[in-house]
Amino acid sequence: DGGITQSPKYLFRKEGQNVTLSCEQNLNHDAMYWYRQDPGQGLRLIYYSQIVNDFQKGDIAEGYSVSREKKESFPLTVTSAQKNPTAFYLCASSPDPSYNEQFFGPGTRLTVL
Amino acid sequence: AQTVTQSQPEMSVQEAETVTLSCTYDTSESDYYLFWYKQPPSRQMILVIRQEAYKQQNATENRFSVNFQKAAKSFSLKISDSQLGDAAMYFCAYRTSQGGSEKLVFGKGTKLTVNP
Repeated sequence: DGGITQSPKYLFRKEGQNVTLSCEQNLNHDAMYWYRQDPGQGLRLIYYSQIVNDFQKGDIAEGYSVSREKKESFPLTVTSAQKNPTAFYLCASSPDPSYNEQFFGPGTRLTVL
Repeated sequence: AQTVTQSQPEMSVQEAETVTLSCTYDTSESDYYLFWYKQPPSRQMILVIRQEAYKQQNATENRFSVNFQKAAKSFSLKISDSQLGDAAMYFCAYRTSQGGSEKLVFGKGTKLTVNP
């Protein structure tokens, strides 16, 4: 089955620890995105990548880092510099940056204790 | 910067009835895309319907249709014959057509409850 997978579904970390969220897609999509969702808020863009080995900051990139070493993978690291990391994180992809639809993964709920 | 506003945090509808969710947006662009996404309790984001700004005809997908008023910058979603499975958060989203800025800008969402 083609799709986007995010793992794990739930993630718990202690304050001050870095944590990496996984996002994998087998859709052969060029573009990938990371969004953050907080209660009562819409999704906000953290980082996006239009092509392998290239990525751009979104609206709320502070405290986060990404890599895009492979087309199918776009991991997100939440660093200790992120002030309020507890949130729901959604990964998305699209065939290419100009395509007008993004396809979403099932998300990861991160809780920092 | 573009903004998207959903003025109804919560809405409810009786099963089989019709409900309309509101969305307004602010932009100086003439060409762009608008979307409605559904997020059920599973939290999977599902595309419901999309509209290209250059198309005057309102988009329709089965029981879902939009009322796109470009001059008023309004993009409402109408759900006809509401079903229990329609209960979800609904997000309106805007996407520029300009290259290099492919992000989606989301509203804060409307929680739709469907009463049996």
